[in-house]
Amino acid sequence: GAGVSQTPSNKVTEKGKYVELRCDPISGHTALYWYRQSLGQGPEFLIYFQGTGAADDSGLPNDRFFAVRPEGSVSTLKIQRTERGDSAVYLCASSLSSGGSDTQYFGPGTRLTVL
Amino acid sequence: TQLLEQSPQFLSIQEGENLTVYCNSSSVFSSLQWYRQEPGEGPVLLVTVVTGGEVKKLKRLTFQFGDARKDSSLHITAAQPGDTGLYLCAGRYNFNKFYFGSGTKLNVKP
Repeated sequence: GAGVSQTPSNKVTEKGKYVELRCDPISGHTALYWYRQSLGQGPEFLIYFQGTGAADDSGLPNDRFFAVRPEGSVSTLKIQRTERGDSAVYLCASSLSSGGSDTQYFGPGTRLTVL
Repeated sequence: TQLLEQSPQFLSIQEGENLTVYCNSSSVFSSLQWYRQEPGEGPVLLVTVVTGGEVKKLKRLTFQFGDARKDSSLHITAAQPGDTGLYLCAGRYNFNKFYFGSGTKLNVKP
């Protein structure tokens, strides 16, 4: 079956612009995670959804970052007034439930470059 | 800030050699996972360890969770070029929050 997909695969934008990154989880997966991976680092937790609601958004770095999952499936990560420091690979993962022990399946990521 | 420290950061070895990668923290985790990530792809789960002192084997890979659930190791026997990649450990801290280490980049030369 299809895995987690993320679009676009690459996004280049200018400082100060607004961007949206999309994640399509595996069908039927209720849990969805966003991570940010900077060069040479491991993924950093941003936000976790259980269904439509953000169960934990403690990893969002500031109020320029926002994520939604209106129908409990596709999620969009939104970044306002982008800064050069936002450049990173943004990873999305989904799992079957919120059990924590369920396997997280990662997408290939969106590489965001802010010029 | 990374709660999990991995060592070494880089490892370049010849095919057939053995190696061990370490993942250490001052925090206690309810479980710890190991992933492998290849360029341009997301991490792929290799194993989850839950119980202190637990040892799991996956073919030539052996994973161990420390007795105090603060550290873990990954041992690869007779490494092959196909083992090349970035190895990441991730600790489950709260119910659904995972903290990743900075990774060990392994290169196995034929």
